[in-house]
Order: sequence, then structure tokens, then C-alpha cells
Amino acid sequence: GAGVSQSPSNKVTEKGKDVELRCDPISGHTALYWYRQSLGQGLEFLIYFQGNSAPDKSGLPSDRFSAERTGGSVSTLTIQRTQQEDSAVYLCASSLAGGVYEQYFGPGTRLTVT
Amino acid sequence: GQNIDQPTEMTATEGAIVQINCTYQTSGFNGLFWYQQHAGEAPTFLSYNVLDGLEEKGRFSSFLSRSKGYSYLLLKELQMKDSASYLCAVRDRPNTGGFKTIFGAGTRLFVKA
Repeated sequence: GAGVSQSPSNKVTEKGKDVELRCDPISGHTALYWYRQSLGQGLEFLIYFQGNSAPDKSGLPSDRFSAERTGGSVSTLTIQRTQQEDSAVYLCASSLAGGVYEQYFGPGTRLTVT
Repeated sequence: GQNIDQPTEMTATEGAIVQINCTYQTSGFNGLFWYQQHAGEAPTFLSYNVLDGLEEKGRFSSFLSRSKGYSYLLLKELQMKDSASYLCAVRDRPNTGGFKTIFGAGTRLFVKA
């Protein structure tokens, strides 16, 4: 596609429910990143994929968070048993490779846990 | 550990020049990025430095000193539309392999008439 797309754009869920966030990277980009950004804060790195593998999962806040990427393209970030502190904007980015290339960001998914 | 510091807020006047500083500490430095983020929008790429020196791109320039763990973003001929947050990000190559991009908290720039 023309750019990175994410869905849904907004998600409101009740505490304790599971949510799944989707990211469609730019075609041909092998590297994919997930970040989250709380209101007025910087970006918090969550996980990075090179192809379908994730060399670095150290940013995932807890074992309630998981991510997968299949076919070297679409990625899903799953949050189980959501908590109010999970409320944030979840941003996905992709780049040509995991090296020196700049990242192109999607519009984000705003998650609100009530 | 890994740490990135940049000022929280800056204010400058339209037409002026502003310099936004960033200092970092990382174990496996592999490049430094600057991104611009307007309120409510996703970050967009501005510049990349991996070697020491100044990279110029139109009204925007970015400088890097690896020995000092220091970078700055220079914005010339400021325009009102430059009001945004500017994020300093360091690409780190941890011992575990792969790459990790660490973002600073961002500097909110207010451009006044």
C-alpha cells in the first residue's frame, strides 16, 4: 500500500478484555516496529520484527502483551486482560530493513481501557 | 543502560533560528534520528546521522558527535507550522542481536509570531 495502515483507529474496551491491534506495513518493508505513546509522552519501544522473527521482545511491558507477524507482512499486537494503564496510542512503523533506514509510521490505534 | 535527554519545551519566534539538543547514552550506538510529530499525528522522519558532523537538508540541519554522545537539530527561518514535538531517537544494537530504536520524550517547540 501507499503507507502504513493500522486498525482499528480507535478502540474502547472494558478492563479485563482482550484486544487485538493490526498493522499493515508498506509493501517490501522487512522491518516492523511497535511502539506505544501515552498522552504527552515520548514513544515507548515494544517490539521489533525482522521478517517474521522478533530479535528483541524486551520492550513488551508484561506477559499480557504478545505480537506476531506472518508472511513477512501484517502484524498483530495482542493485549490480554487489559488494564487501565494500557490506555495509550499504539503506533506501528515499518522500514526497508532493520539497519539504517528511517521508519514510516502508521496513524496509530488509540486504545482506551475503561 | 540506555538514556536519551532533550529539553521538554522551547519557544522561539517566527523567522528565527532554534537549536534543539539531545544527549544520549547507549551501549551499541548505530545511528541517530530526528522525527517531527505534530499534535495528534504520527511522527515523520526528518534526519539521520551515523557519522560525526553536520547533515543539512533545507531549513533543517542535524549534527552528531559520537564521542560526546550529543546531537542537535537546527531549524532555520522558523515558520508557524514548525510548532510540533521533535523526537530524538537512537538506534542501538544490543548484545541480543537485532536493532532497537530508543526515543527520547521529545521537545515541544512553540513558534510565536
